[in-house]
Amino acid sequence: DAKTTQPPSMDCAEGRAANLPCNHSTISGNEYVYWYRQIHSQGPQYIIHGLKNNETNEMASLIITEDRKSSTLILPHATLRDTAVYYCIVRVVKNYGGSQGNLIFGKGTKLSVKP
Amino acid sequence: AAGVIQSPRHLIKEKRETATLKCYPIPRHDTVYWYQQGPGQDPQFLISFYEKMQSDKGSIPDRFSAQQFSDYHSELNMSSLELGDSALYFCASSSPLAVTLLSTDTQYFGPGTRLTVL
Repeated sequence: DAKTTQPPSMDCAEGRAANLPCNHSTISGNEYVYWYRQIHSQGPQYIIHGLKNNETNEMASLIITEDRKSSTLILPHATLRDTAVYYCIVRVVKNYGGSQGNLIFGKGTKLSVKP
Repeated sequence: AAGVIQSPRHLIKEKRETATLKCYPIPRHDTVYWYQQGPGQDPQFLISFYEKMQSDKGSIPDRFSAQQFSDYHSELNMSSLELGDSALYFCASSSPLAVTLLSTDTQYFGPGTRLTVL
């Protein structure tokens, strides 16, 4: 699976958009970009994933560059409860059913949302 | 919606004792993953099961073993516990989609078991 690079920490004001970048310059064509977050010692929480198109769900938006070498997770209106470590994970997709393999967690970005 | 259930939530053991952690996946999920997160560390993959068979193995010590049962719940057995085994242990479950060219599955994590070895 391709490696990812994220800034170790970021701050965001409550109510503002939080934009978390991720570099995955060695990503290959069959790899998805996944985002998870972990709120202090809780289980990692799935946020969103995408292959090459931008994706949006009730939690966040995922913007993937056209060359797929980087992406940005956007939390449109950050709240104090969004303070967490955010992990960007690139994951190979096998072209058959069955287990798709484990997640490889990097260091992530510690997002602090401040009042 | 139902989530992944892990038990116990907290466990305290002495060195050289054994421990068993249990994981109950989301209903209709047939794949279970185990991860270990030491203090100040990121989660590390231990082992996974798909349809009751071991599918992948990560950095799991030989002192640990795991299995998935017919009802898809899984147990992680840890023997000869060491101080360094103190960690959070997470279980995740997923349901692989039907076979497609670009099928993928999303892993959903449980709340974890905090193991403390004294």
